[in-house]
Amino acid sequence: DTAVSQTPKYLVTQMGNDKSIKCEQNLGHDTMYWYKQDSKKFLKIMFSYNNKELIINETVPNRFSPKSPDKAHLNLHINSLELGDSAVYFCASSQYGRTSGTDEQYFGPGTRLTVT
Amino acid sequence: GEDVEQSLFLSVREGDSSVINCTYTDSSSTYLYWYKQEPGAGLQLLTYIFSNMDMKQDQRLTVLLNKKDKHLSLRIADTQTGDSAIYFCAEIKGSQGNLIFGKGTKLSVKP
Repeated sequence: DTAVSQTPKYLVTQMGNDKSIKCEQNLGHDTMYWYKQDSKKFLKIMFSYNNKELIINETVPNRFSPKSPDKAHLNLHINSLELGDSAVYFCASSQYGRTSGTDEQYFGPGTRLTVT
Repeated sequence: GEDVEQSLFLSVREGDSSVINCTYTDSSSTYLYWYKQEPGAGLQLLTYIFSNMDMKQDQRLTVLLNKKDKHLSLRIADTQTGDSAIYFCAEIKGSQGNLIFGKGTKLSVKP
């Protein structure tokens, strides 16, 4: 019973392509997130969605667009992939969306994206 | 500083105690967290501490918080090989409650 799942686990693609990473949570949480972890393991939040509304949008290129068909899914679509997009992307979810000690974020296993 | 700071590597022998240190940035952060990332896996919340606490103990884990110095530490007693992982310190920052992570400390446990 995976709480937060992502597909694919690995994604290798060429520069200029458009790709999507899917995320699903079966926890009934209200908020989902996308994080990017670069080659130096630095983890940075990209987006969060609460009830289909974007509530956090950090300074990421507009080539990245989160799409949430329903509360249980938050997909990440990336247009015109660049070499610098190579990273591990983590999806996460939490019950309420405003992080507090009791509002734990549950992370997916990550998607390793390699752009060649 | 602007970033949450952690040392990048720590190596200990099995059975010893490990202490991972972190300096955070926002003195108004209400909660501070320690996450664990095992190889090839996502992040798992290990423990958290509320900012009005100095210490929190949870089995082999002890978290110490020094608000004056904005210093957080995680002590793992009787470290085991299964504790080998990357440990991330994180704080809440900003009006939106963003979770800001340090760069992670890679803990290696030698038998």
